[in-house]
Amino acid sequence: SQELEQSPQSLIVQEGKNLTINCTSSKTLYGLYWYKQKYGEGLIFLMMLQKGGEEKSHEKITAKLDEKKQQSSLHITASQPSHAGIYLCGADGLFGGFKTIFGAGTRLFVKA
Amino acid sequence: GAVVSQHPSRVICKSGTSVKIECRSLDFQATTMFWYRQFPKQSLMLMATSNEGSKATYEQGVEKDKFLINHASLTLSTLTVTSAHPEDSSFYICSASSEYNEQFFGPGTRLTVL
Repeated sequence: SQELEQSPQSLIVQEGKNLTINCTSSKTLYGLYWYKQKYGEGLIFLMMLQKGGEEKSHEKITAKLDEKKQQSSLHITASQPSHAGIYLCGADGLFGGFKTIFGAGTRLFVKA
Repeated sequence: GAVVSQHPSRVICKSGTSVKIECRSLDFQATTMFWYRQFPKQSLMLMATSNEGSKATYEQGVEKDKFLINHASLTLSTLTVTSAHPEDSSFYICSASSEYNEQFFGPGTRLTVL
């Protein structure tokens, strides 16, 4: 079965610093989604990547899918307290039609 | 890890009928549950946030009277799709939030309306 591994599990950064979160798949990714969850709230969709090498940006957040389509990285530039939360990657599963599988999430804390 | 179940896993119904989907947290109490909808090859879309003992909070564009949510206990939330139509066919996923704010997802329910 396909699995997604996220790293790091948690991250504490000083406001203004850059950071990167990785999502690695055991199989080729056909659709990779990044979500953010603020504490106590539902998931917020950030962006979707499909093509190898594709890169997308949303405000100060950039995500890229590598050429082999087995890893995606999420990069935040000049982090702010508003970036704090849980970042979750999700991928289209190959089993049973469309069904999203998720990584375990990365908890980001930003110190002011 | 914590387990969240959904029932049924798939349902086919006729247009105009109502369908109830259950979401249960099996080994923890979830004060908050979330309901999502996913179309093929698209992202999850948050429909509503359900808090035990109170009315659900719906996202903009989601019809409250169409998608009835009841969170009767700390382990059960239900989503009822009323007067279903073919355009309601989708994959519905719930998640439950633990006291540590971890979110655990159910396996999803595939609804097909004929």
